[in-house]
Amino acid sequence: GQNIDQPTEMTATEGAIVQINCTYQTSGFNGLFWYQQHAGEAPTFLSYNVLDGLEEKGRFSSFLSRSKGYSYLLLKELQMKDSASYLCAVLDSNYQLIWGAGTKLIIKP
Amino acid sequence: ETGVTQTPRHLVMGMTNKKSLKCEQHLGHNAMYWYKQSAKKPLELMFVYNFKEQTENNSVPSRFSPECPNSSHLFLHLHTLQPEDSALYLCASSPSGGEHTDTQYFGPGTRLTVL
Repeated sequence: GQNIDQPTEMTATEGAIVQINCTYQTSGFNGLFWYQQHAGEAPTFLSYNVLDGLEEKGRFSSFLSRSKGYSYLLLKELQMKDSASYLCAVLDSNYQLIWGAGTKLIIKP
Repeated sequence: ETGVTQTPRHLVMGMTNKKSLKCEQHLGHNAMYWYKQSAKKPLELMFVYNFKEQTENNSVPSRFSPECPNSSHLFLHLHTLQPEDSALYLCASSPSGGEHTDTQYFGPGTRLTVL
């Protein structure tokens, strides 16, 4: 079966760095997405990785290793507004998005 | 604002009621999606429409009935629901469906409670 694993919840301190991991086992791979979802709001697109390596976008970076079936989202200089759920999703060989259950990130002052 | 709107934002209904959820996208996209989001579970894809044609129905019970009159509008008609259908129902759109790596843009969802 297809599976996406990510931690259920993480806590970090304002101003610090946090890394949210995602491992996947899917039938084929056409890219990996990260979305941010604040409570009661729409998931919003953060990043898309299809090649191995690190992609940096401001305070957020996303890393992919296809051989290891692994990705992480790195958030730097954490702000209170970064408190949200972070969803990992993989596009499989049929171009269907397979979603993880999301990681709830709690930022403390 | 993601360019995808959903109404109502909250809905409480009895098991014998009939109601409809509405989604509208202002992005000029050709593919639209319905998802179910339950607490601490992955998003579940329900239906996909590509150029107004249904291309995916992920074994969804017939008490959920989608309708896509045009590329900008998507409805989900609900009838005789069960309490376990209580969840956040998300609509999304993307430039195209099928074999593409397009990003999906989500609406804020309708929080449905079935009593």
